[in-house]
Amino acid sequence: DTAVSQTPKYLVTQMGNDKSIKCEQNLGHDTMYWYKQDSKKFLKIMFSYNNKELIINETVPNRFSPKSPDKAHLNLHINSLELGDSAVYFCASSHVSLDGYTFGSGTRLTVV
Amino acid sequence: AQSVTQPDIHITVSEGASLELRCNYSYGATPYLFWYVQSPGQGLQLLLKYFSGDTLVQGIKGFEAEFKRSQSSFNLRKPSVHWSDAAEYFCAVGATGQGAQKLVFGQGTRLTINP
Repeated sequence: DTAVSQTPKYLVTQMGNDKSIKCEQNLGHDTMYWYKQDSKKFLKIMFSYNNKELIINETVPNRFSPKSPDKAHLNLHINSLELGDSAVYFCASSHVSLDGYTFGSGTRLTVV
Repeated sequence: AQSVTQPDIHITVSEGASLELRCNYSYGATPYLFWYVQSPGQGLQLLLKYFSGDTLVQGIKGFEAEFKRSQSSFNLRKPSVHWSDAAEYFCAVGATGQGAQKLVFGQGTRLTINP
C-alpha cells in the first residue's frame, strides 16, 4: 500500500499549457505539502495545507494554485506553464508536530 | 532565517569504508533535525531524526547521526557502506514560517560507492 501517491509520475507538456498533479495520502496525517526540486536537486517548500486550510505559501507565482478537497488529498494546478517550471514536484504529508515527512515518489514535469 | 548547509556536494567512498556526511544548521532555538535519502528516481526516505535527548541518534539502514550544539552540526555516519547506499542525502531542519512548521533542506550530498 503506497502511503503517499502522486500522479502522474512523468508529465511532458508545451509552454503555455495548464496541467494538474494529484496527491493522496492514506496515513491519516493532518498536514500535506508541495515541494519543488530543481535541476540541482535543491528542495524548496511551495505550499502547506493543514486540514484543507492553506497555512504556508512561499512566494510562489499565482500561476500555481493548490487545492485540498479533504485532508487526504492535495492537488497542484499550474496555469500557463513556463520553461522554468520544469522540475520534480514532491508531495509530502506529516502530523502537525513535525514528526518527519512521508514523501511521494515525485512528478517529473518537463516543459518544452 | 533557518538554513542548512551541506558543505560536500559529492563524496566518493569505497565499499566497506566508513562514511561521514556533514551538515551545519542555523536556527535560534533547539532544532528539529532530520536526514533523508533519495535514491535515483525515487522520493525521499527518512533515515533518522533528532528532537531532544540523547545527542547520538540511530536510524535505519545502519546510519547514525550526532547532534553537536556547540558546532551547530548534525553529521551523518555509517561504519561500513554498501553499494546500495549510493544515493543523494539531504539534511533538514524543522523551521517555523508563516506561523506553521516546515522543513528547510540543505543542498544535498551525492554519495558514490566504488566497488
